[in-house]
Amino acid sequence: EVQLVESGGGLVQPGRSLRLSCAASGFTFDDYAMHWVRQAPGKGLEWVSGISWNSGSIGYADSVKGRFTISRDNAKNSLYLQMNSLRAEDTALYYCAKDIRTGLRPSYFDYWGQGTLVTVSS
Amino acid sequence: SYVLTQPPSVSVAPGQTARITCGGNNIGSKSVHWYQQKPGQAPVLVVYDDSDRPSGIPERFSGSNSGNTATLTISRVEAGDEADYYCQVWDSSSDWGFGGGTKLTVL
Repeated sequence: EVQLVESGGGLVQPGRSLRLSCAASGFTFDDYAMHWVRQAPGKGLEWVSGISWNSGSIGYADSVKGRFTISRDNAKNSLYLQMNSLRAEDTALYYCAKDIRTGLRPSYFDYWGQGTLVTVSS
Repeated sequence: SYVLTQPPSVSVAPGQTARITCGGNNIGSKSVHWYQQKPGQAPVLVVYDDSDRPSGIPERFSGSNSGNTATLTISRVEAGDEADYYCQVWDSSSDWGFGGGTKLTVL
C-alpha cells in the first residue's frame, strides 16, 4: 500500500523558515518523480514544486521560486521542502504527491499524502 | 499561464447524472485529469488521461475532452459523491495547473 506521510508544518513568523518532510513507503521511491502541492484554507489546489527521480530536474511555481527548495533522499525514501522567507500567503496545507513518471514531464498525481499545515503569522 | 475554468458549484439529485466542466484554450489537445476531494481529506485521482479510471474507481465516473471543454460525468450520483472536484493539466506555461474546483452537492 502506497503511503505518503508529511511532517514539519507549524506556526511560523513571516520571514522565517520551515522544512517539510514526506516519508514514502509501499512503492519504489526512486522510480518516480515527486511533488509538493498546497491548498490555502478554503481555496483550491496549487502546484508548488516537483523533482525528478534522480533530482536531475526540478521545477517551481513562480510564487515560490527563489524562496523554496525541493530535495529528496532516495536512500531514506524521503522528500523535502525547505521554505525560506515565508509570507502570510504561504499559509496552506502542504501535500506530498507521487507522480506517475520518473521525470518532470506532462503527468498527473496518483497518490497524495494527508498534508501538513503551515501557518505564517506574527 | 494556462487557465482552467470550472463552475464553482453543481447540484444534482441522487440517481441523476452530474456533469462538471473544465474549460481551457484548446484543452482537447491536452490530457486532462480529475481529482475528488472530500471534506478534510486528501485529493483522490478519479479520472486520468481524459477518460481512464484508476483501479477502484467506480464505472459511474467517466470523462471526455474535446475542443475547449473537458467534462467529468458522474452517473447515478450517490450521497457519497458529494465533494470538490478539480481538473488538472500539464502545460509548459504553468506546469501542473489545476482548475478552481467545483463543489458537487447532492440534493
